[in-house]
Amino acid sequence: EPEVTQTPSHQVTQMGQEVILRCVPISNHLYFYWYRQILGQKVEFLVSFYNNEISEKSEIFDDQFSVERPDGSNFTLKIRSTKLEDSAMYFCATPRGLADTDTQYFGPGTRLTVL
Amino acid sequence: GESVGLHLPTLSVQEGDNSIINCAYSNSASDYFIWYKQESGKGPQFIIDIRSNMDKRQGQRVTVLLNKTVKHLSLQIAATQPGDSAVYFCAENRAGGYNKLIFGAGTRLAVHP
Repeated sequence: EPEVTQTPSHQVTQMGQEVILRCVPISNHLYFYWYRQILGQKVEFLVSFYNNEISEKSEIFDDQFSVERPDGSNFTLKIRSTKLEDSAMYFCATPRGLADTDTQYFGPGTRLTVL
Repeated sequence: GESVGLHLPTLSVQEGDNSIINCAYSNSASDYFIWYKQESGKGPQFIIDIRSNMDKRQGQRVTVLLNKTVKHLSLQIAATQPGDSAVYFCAENRAGGYNKLIFGAGTRLAVHP
C-alpha cells in the first residue's frame, strides 16, 4: 500500500493555542483530504483540496481551520485557536494514483490533545 | 438524514471461522464503496472496494457484497485470524461529492483463539 506520512504523531497543546499538522501525501497527486476521528467515534470528513484550492469542506471546518500546500509537496492543517473539542485523531488521505481518484489511502494520523 | 451505518457494533468469532460484517447506506446515488480496517492507534487501512455496477468482488480472504436494492453492503472474511482483530468501517463515496468519503460507525471484530 502506498505510504502517506504525518507529523507529529502526537501533539499536546493548551486551549487557545495554534497547531499545525503536517502530511506528506503520495507524490504528485493533486487531490488531498483531511479527516478527523474523535476517540471511539467514526471518521469524519473535514476538507478536500484539489489543485491548491479547497473543493469541499464540512460544517466542522469552520474559520478556525485552514489548509495549505506550502512547498508543493507537503500539506498542512492549521487550527488557529484550539478548543477542547478539537481533541481527536487527524488523518490526511490521498488517492491511490493519478488514474484512480476514488480510493483514498490514509496516513497514520496525528493525535491532538487540547488541555 | 444521510448516513452510512452498521448493524453490529461488536462481532466476536473463533479463529478459523468466517466473519461477516454488515453495513447499510442511505444514499441511492452513491456509486463507490470501500471497506477499511483500523487497528488501535493507526489510520484506516484499505481492504477492498466495489463500484455500484457490481454486486460482488473478491480479494485475498475477503469478499464484498453489494445489494443496491436494499442498500446493503457486507464484508466477508474467510478463515478469520487473530491479526484480523480490528475495527472495520464501510465508507461511501457519493457521486458529485468531490470524492469525500462518508464513513459508517464501525464494527469491532474480536477473534478468539
